[in-house]
Formats: sequence, structure tokens, C-alpha cells
Amino acid sequence: GIQVEQSPPDLILQEGANSTLRCNFSDSVNNLQWFHQNPWGQLINLFYIPSGTKQNGRLSATTVATERYSLLYISSSQTTDSGVYFCAVESQGSSYKLIFGSGTRLLVRP
Amino acid sequence: DTEVTQTPKHLVMGMTNKKSLKCEQHMGHRAMYWYKQKAKKPPELMFVYSYEKLSINESVPSRFSPECPNSSLLNLHLHALQPEDSALYLCASSLGQYTGELFFGEGSRLTVL
Repeated sequence: GIQVEQSPPDLILQEGANSTLRCNFSDSVNNLQWFHQNPWGQLINLFYIPSGTKQNGRLSATTVATERYSLLYISSSQTTDSGVYFCAVESQGSSYKLIFGSGTRLLVRP
Repeated sequence: DTEVTQTPKHLVMGMTNKKSLKCEQHMGHRAMYWYKQKAKKPPELMFVYSYEKLSINESVPSRFSPECPNSSLLNLHLHALQPEDSALYLCASSLGQYTGELFFGEGSRLTVL
């Protein structure tokens, strides 16, 4: 099956810093989403981005499908950005099977 | 309204108990999902219902029994669970014709004693 690798596994930032999270995947994809899991466990949609670039406030994401990677940019980080960021992908021909990477655990210090 | 509601939020059960987890969405979505998440691990897909039919069962043990009574509701019936089944159980939904964007509930945290 498709492999999804996220880096870095852990990241500590000072409030106000910028960061880039990476997701590499091993096969062509129909679907790629970025989620933020808050300390209470809820998975919150950040982006649905199988290709291209999107921005939402301080967050933006880019997926280069031909090179099999996606990037999540966080600018001017805040303590509320802390949590785990997951990339999830669905390979072509595998409807409804969204597979999660191992995540990047982010801690933003005040 | 982009909300998926799961009940109960927390559940403690013994290995001989029978319990159920419930999930509800009113977004008109026709695909619904159960994921299991152990501590410090990513969510793992268990079951998918598409248009009220079971589409995917990821070789889940029969002590977990899913049910989709209608397009808005998804249940997970639990029976004779093991302590290693303790986890966060996440329900999600999506539009239906294809996977599209998944929306997750807050999860049900299950402890098996």
C-alpha cells in the first residue's frame, strides 16, 4: 500500500516563529488532506489539497503531486498551534481509504 | 454546519460487556467512517460505509460490529473486547461519491478493563 512519511517528527518553536512541515508519499494520490489534532483529540481539517496551493490565514499548503510531496507552512506561530499535524492521502484506485502519516508533533512555547 | 457528533465522549467497559458507540451527521454526507487511534499513533481505518452499505472492512476483529441504520447515523457495537482495544475511536463523514474531504467528530475514548 501507499507509504506516507512526515517530517520532522517533533518540532519546538518559540511563539512568532515560522515553520514548514513536509509530507512525502510513495504513489499517485486522488486525495491529500492536512489535519491538526488538538490536545483533546479532535481532528480539525486544515486543507483538502490533492494538488496546488491554498492559504487560510497564517497557514498555507502546497502539494506537488508529480513529485509526491506536500508542504504545510505555519507563519507567526501561536501557542494554540500546538498539537499534532497529520497528512493523510488516498492513492489512486483506493476509494475511501484515507491513510495517515505518523504526524508531526508541534509545541509552540510562549 | 460541518459537525459530526459522537457519543459517548468517554466509555469504560469490562471485557464481558456489550456497548455501542454512536455517530451522527446532518451534512447530507453519504460516506461514513470509523477510525481507531492508539496513543501517540496515527488514526487507522477500520470501516467505511458508502450509501449505507459496508464498503471497506480493514480486517477488523468480529468483536467490533458496525451498523449504518440510515445515511445520518453510524454505530459501532462492541462485545467481548480486550484491554488492548482501549483507544480513541473516531467517526468521520464525507460527501460520498468519492472520498473528498473528511470531517471528523471529537471521538469516543474507550477504556477496556
